[in-house]
Amino acid sequence: SQKIEQNSEALNIQEGKTATLTCNYTNYSPAYLQWYRQDPGRGPVFLLLIRENEKEKRKERLKVTFDTTLKQSLFHITASQPADSATYLCALLPNTGGFKTIFGAGTRLFVKA
Amino acid sequence: DTGVSQDPRHKITKRGQNVTFRCDPISEHNRLYWYRQTLGQGPEFLTYFQNEAQLEKSRLLSDRFSAERPKGSFSTLEIQRTEQGDSAMYLCASSPGGSGRYSNQPQHFGDGTRLSIL
Repeated sequence: SQKIEQNSEALNIQEGKTATLTCNYTNYSPAYLQWYRQDPGRGPVFLLLIRENEKEKRKERLKVTFDTTLKQSLFHITASQPADSATYLCALLPNTGGFKTIFGAGTRLFVKA
Repeated sequence: DTGVSQDPRHKITKRGQNVTFRCDPISEHNRLYWYRQTLGQGPEFLTYFQNEAQLEKSRLLSDRFSAERPKGSFSTLEIQRTEQGDSAMYLCASSPGGSGRYSNQPQHFGDGTRLSIL
């Protein structure tokens, strides 16, 4: 069956450390993969997009990697801050036609001061 | 604020009633999406519009659900004969039209309408 999985357990890290979140997918061939941030009671906010032929993307303190062999994307936040505390969602658009974006359930990140 | 706007933010209704939600996308965006999100889950795709044309619907979208986007501007999502299982956050997103389906344009989300069925 097709699945997109993120760590269901919350990630707790100390301020200043690097947070690494994982997104694994099964039986999808993504055209691209996106990462979003979601705060309680708010809609998701786009962070980064990486295409199937790209290995890594960076934006300020954020970095995304994409390994189509492992069927995995890693999302890194360096020099984390308490303001980075939120739920992070990965989402993919299958390379099979259509416009249906598939979201993971998200990983909750807590950054302690 | 020129972001995606959704109305109302909260809706409480009794089971069996009909409800309608509105989404105003970013004005120059011709792509519009509806999602449903329950607690602890990611958004689930419901339907997609390109301009006024509804090009894709999820199997989640039963015949009690209908969405429209007249004139390719705002969109409405109606749920008829609501059921307890319809309680969720309904999210709308929009994105610019790009060159083809795989144009890497991110989706901009509104803050959703939270529906509670009594």
